[in-house]
Amino acid sequence: EPEVTQTPSHQVTQMGQEVILRCVPISNHLYFYWYRQILGQKVEFLVSFYNNEISEKSEIFDDQFSVERPDGSNFTLKIRSTKLEDSAMYFCASSDQGGNQPQHFGDGTRLSIL
Amino acid sequence: DAKTTQPPSMDCAEGRAANLPCNHSTISGNEYVYWYRQIHSQGPQYIIHGLKNNETNEMASLIITEDRKSSTLILPHATLRDTAVYYCIVKGSTLGRLYFGRGTQLTVWP
Repeated sequence: EPEVTQTPSHQVTQMGQEVILRCVPISNHLYFYWYRQILGQKVEFLVSFYNNEISEKSEIFDDQFSVERPDGSNFTLKIRSTKLEDSAMYFCASSDQGGNQPQHFGDGTRLSIL
Repeated sequence: DAKTTQPPSMDCAEGRAANLPCNHSTISGNEYVYWYRQIHSQGPQYIIHGLKNNETNEMASLIITEDRKSSTLILPHATLRDTAVYYCIVKGSTLGRLYFGRGTQLTVWP
């Protein structure tokens, strides 16, 4: 069964450094998403992406964050200058259409900021 | 998006049916009910979704009341591997984001 894959599984970064989290969505999917989950808290939406542009973003997704689909397969989340509070699990998801089609999630990248 | 209410925890004996309830009394006519689960710190796993009719797939069944104000996810023969947090989410067709609450921690015991 096709799945969303995320790399790396764990990323350790010094505060203030840039970090790029990578995702390979399911191949025929057109809608892409990033969520995060701080330890012990709820899963929170960050951003959705369709047709090479952001279609929706949350208040968490500020100027420090950006997303890109650099080629036909990868979908990336960049954090420009990491803060301690960016430490979390980051989940990528994709769906083959918007609307009512379900989103399928990867197993996440654990980001630890020191 | 409509808000959902789920019990914080439930348990179930292995091999028995697990029935997880969800209230969504403010659901709108075009909003679907989705169920996901999260095992430990893995990514949320899609289980099933529906609009008004009952749905069944290889993982579970979804029963939605006629007034659509509540639903029940049924795992017909729970196993230890079904121990997870189960999320009931209501989402319209226009917005992409999923709102995750605290969900129900289901513990299946041997």
